Amino acid sequence: EAQVTQNPRYLITVTGKKLTVTCSQNMNHEYMSWYRQDPGLGLRQIYYSMNVEVTDKGDVPEGYKVSRKEKRNFPLILESPSPNQTSLYFCASSGGYEQYFGPGTRLTVT
Amino acid sequence: AQSVAQPEDQVNVAEGNPLTVKCTYSVSGNPYLFWYVQYPNRGLQFLLKYITGDNLVKGSYGFEAEFNKSQTSFHLKKPSALVSDSALYFCAVRTINAGNNRKLIWGLGTSLAVNP
Repeated sequence: EAQVTQNPRYLITVTGKKLTVTCSQNMNHEYMSWYRQDPGLGLRQIYYSMNVEVTDKGDVPEGYKVSRKEKRNFPLILESPSPNQTSLYFCASSGGYEQYFGPGTRLTVT
Repeated sequence: AQSVAQPEDQVNVAEGNPLTVKCTYSVSGNPYLFWYVQYPNRGLQFLLKYITGDNLVKGSYGFEAEFNKSQTSFHLKKPSALVSDSALYFCAVRTINAGNNRKLIWGLGTSLAVNP
């Protein structure tokens, strides 16, 4: 089944404790992206990647890092999470016009 | 600035009746337009898209949308609503001039409630 997977689905952590949210797609898509979804603000792009080793900032990259060492994987790294990064995170991939989304990761930073 | 507006936070419709979820956009250049649906605790699922050509596009689950360039709108429609259509619907736009970034600009969503 063609899909985008994210792990973990739910995470509660404390300020400053480094964490990684994994994202993997099995559709051989070159383009991948991370969004965060917040009430009243909608979805906003954090980072995107056009291909392996090619990444760039989206609209809200502060406090986040990404890497793209393999085509299928695009992990999101929070080096020192803060409470304002509490959000619902979505990974997406695209091989054409539409984007395919993972199930989301609900992150709470206390 | 590029933006997408979904003027209704919530739409209520009776099962079997037609439904419309509204979307207007403001972009420079020609847009690619999309509708996605989000069910509770699920990711966003692609419903349909307008790229070029016929202004009426058909998508998944019996949904369709009409692109109106003069009104800069892309309303989502379905002739006969089902209770299972109850969900959060998002309109999104991507400009053709976005370069390598396929970033989508999103509306804030419309919650559709279909009553039995």
